Amino acid sequence: SQQGEEDPQALSIQEGENATMNCSYKTSINNLQWYRQNSGRGLVHLILIRSNEREKHSGRLRVTLDTSKKSSSLLITASRAADTASYFCATGANSGGYQKVTFGIGTKLQVIP
Amino acid sequence: DGGITQSPKYLFRKEGQNVTLSCEQNLNHDAMYWYRQDPGQGLRLIYYSQIVNDFQKGDIAEGYSVSREKKESFPLTVTSAQKNPTAFYLCASSIGLGQTTKNYGYTFGSGTRLTVV
Repeated sequence: SQQGEEDPQALSIQEGENATMNCSYKTSINNLQWYRQNSGRGLVHLILIRSNEREKHSGRLRVTLDTSKKSSSLLITASRAADTASYFCATGANSGGYQKVTFGIGTKLQVIP
Repeated sequence: DGGITQSPKYLFRKEGQNVTLSCEQNLNHDAMYWYRQDPGQGLRLIYYSQIVNDFQKGDIAEGYSVSREKKESFPLTVTSAQKNPTAFYLCASSIGLGQTTKNYGYTFGSGTRLTVV
C-alpha cells in the first residue's frame, strides 16, 4: 500500500524558478526522506527529516514537515536543468518490530533551460 | 568507493524461463532490499533481508525468490510463476533493517531493466 503520495505528479518550470513538491501520508511516521531519480537510474538520497523536526536545509533544498497535517514539502530553489528528475518521498514507520520505509509514486520535474 | 552494483543493466527473459538479477554491496550494510518499479506505481518492496541467511517477503513476493548466503550479496530470481515480470528492478541496502542515519538513507544500485520477449 502506498504511504506517501506526491503532488503534483508532474511539474514543468523554467530554469531559475523554484520548484515545490508535496508529499502526504496517512499514518504516524518516524521520519520522512526525499530521494531523486534520474531517468533509468537508481534513487539517490537527498535529505531526511525526523518527526520531531519541522524544517531542514541542504544546499538549494528545503524540506518541511507538518505532522499535524501529515504532509511534507520539498523546495528546490533557483532550479537548474540538471535538476530534471523524478523526486520521491519515503516514510519510515514502525511495522512488525522494525522501521518499514514506504515510497510514494513520485513527482516528475522538468526544468526547461 | 563503496556502493551497490547491480547486473546486468538490461535483461531479456523468454516465457517460462527463470532469470537471476545480481546485487552486490561493499558498504558493510546488514540490510538489503529488492524493489520493483513500474510506471506510475512508484517502488514496491519484493523481498528484504536483515542479516545473512535470513530474508522476508515484502508486499509483492509472489513469483520471486531470493537468497542471502553472504552479507555482500542478495540475488533475486524472477521465476516463471511471475506472470508480468517486465519492470525496472532496484536493489538497495541500509545499515540496519529500516534504519537510516541522520544524513544517509537507503543506498540504491543503478537498476536492472527486465523485459519479457
